[in-house]
Amino acid sequence: RKEVEQDPGPFNVPEGATVAFNCTYSNSASQSFFWYRQDCRKEPKLLMSVYSSGNEDGRFTAQLNRASQYISLLIRDSKLSDSATYLCVVNMNNYQLIWGAGTKLIIKP
Amino acid sequence: EPEVTQTPSHQVTQMGQEVILRCVPISNHLYFYWYRQILGQKVEFLVSFYNNEISEKSEIFDDQFSVERPDGSNFTLKIRSTKLEDSAMYFCASSENHNEQFFGPGTRLTVL
Repeated sequence: RKEVEQDPGPFNVPEGATVAFNCTYSNSASQSFFWYRQDCRKEPKLLMSVYSSGNEDGRFTAQLNRASQYISLLIRDSKLSDSATYLCVVNMNNYQLIWGAGTKLIIKP
Repeated sequence: EPEVTQTPSHQVTQMGQEVILRCVPISNHLYFYWYRQILGQKVEFLVSFYNNEISEKSEIFDDQFSVERPDGSNFTLKIRSTKLEDSAMYFCASSENHNEQFFGPGTRLTVL
C-alpha cells in the first residue's frame, strides 16, 4: 500500500459546483496533514494545514478522520482559477513530508 | 510577503558535469529542504537540513548529492556528476517549524 494515496483524476467539474477529494495515508503515527495546490510547471503552494479534526478557510474545507486514516478537501462554488493539481501531504513528525501524487481538477465554464 | 527564491530558473548541463542549484530561504526560517519533480510525476523528497546539518535524506540523495549553507542566507544543492535521469524540476523549501513548508519557484535542470 502506498504511503499517501489520491485519486489521480482528472475531475472535470462545472464552474460553481462543489467538488471533494479524498486522500488516504498508511501510517497511523502521522501527526500533521496539508493540502497543497500546484499549477502546471509551478511550485506547490500551501493551501491549508489540517490539524485536529479539520478546518475551514472560505470556500475550502479540510477534514481529517484519524480512525479511517483519510483526509478530505471540499471546494464549494468552484472557480475557473481553482483548476490545478491538489496534493495531499502527510508529516509523520519527522523532517520528511510524504507527498501524494495529486488529483488534477479542471473547472469548466 | 517574504518568499523563497531560487537561481537559476533553468540550468542546462552535459552529462557528467557538476551543477550547483542555489536557494535563498525565507529569512527567519530554520528548516530547509530540497525536492525534485520529474516531469509528470510526483514531488519527491531529497533532503532536509537543520542546524547546519542534514536531518533526513531519501534514497535518491546518494553520494552524488550534497547540500551546504555556505553563509547566513544561501542554501545550495550540488550534484557532482549529473546523469540523464537527474533531469527534473528541483524545488527548495523552507519552514519555520518543519510543518508548513514554503516553496521556491524551482530550477529546471536539463541534462544532455
